Amino acid sequence: QLQLQESGPGLVEPSEILSLTCTVSGGSIRSMSHYWGWVRQPPGKGLEWIGTIYYDGSSYYNPSLKSRVTLSVDTSKNLFSLKLTSVTAADTGFYYCARLHGTYIFDQWGQGRLVTVSS
Amino acid sequence: SSELTQDPAVSVALGQTVNITCQGDSLRDYYASWYQQKPGQAPLLVLYNKDNRPSGIPDRFSGSNSGSTASLTITGTQAEDEADYYCNSRDSSGDHQLFGGGTKLTVL
Repeated sequence: QLQLQESGPGLVEPSEILSLTCTVSGGSIRSMSHYWGWVRQPPGKGLEWIGTIYYDGSSYYNPSLKSRVTLSVDTSKNLFSLKLTSVTAADTGFYYCARLHGTYIFDQWGQGRLVTVSS
Repeated sequence: SSELTQDPAVSVALGQTVNITCQGDSLRDYYASWYQQKPGQAPLLVLYNKDNRPSGIPDRFSGSNSGSTASLTITGTQAEDEADYYCNSRDSSGDHQLFGGGTKLTVL
């Protein structure tokens, strides 16, 4: 049974870097059939796609976040990561990692990590 | 177009049929997927590639597509179907993902 688990600080100061890791268990991140991605959700609001990455490092980013987002993958540790720079209060929310079947079907989700941007 | 539009809220009587729609130009070229999200939980994939259900999703959930509109239909709606529903697809470039704004389904 595939499981994804987000980890990282729950509180980030404004203008700093938000860093989260998603550890994959019960399956290999080197799957040729799957991509891996991040989705966020401000409290009480809708879902927003952040970006998607393949095990070889090829990636796609939301154009509205592209200048601040970097995704990376560590196949030796079976995990992938998100970095979001210059955060503001508008970046507060739940951050979910997910597995994608192909490039666009989010078929498995982590439980989510609440990140608050505040001083 | 770079948007997927959903009605913010829909209600349905217990046991009846409800349609939740998602509109966007990119739906003319790409299928929609649908996700159910209950309070305090991560989203759950309920339909993909227009009308395919993952293992464990009841067959009362079905999907269709017509032009720029994708629809999620729940036939014989149960109380446990009360949730937020989000559509998802690609934008016109095919490289980027879009989510609809979500529809809050209330079961009366």
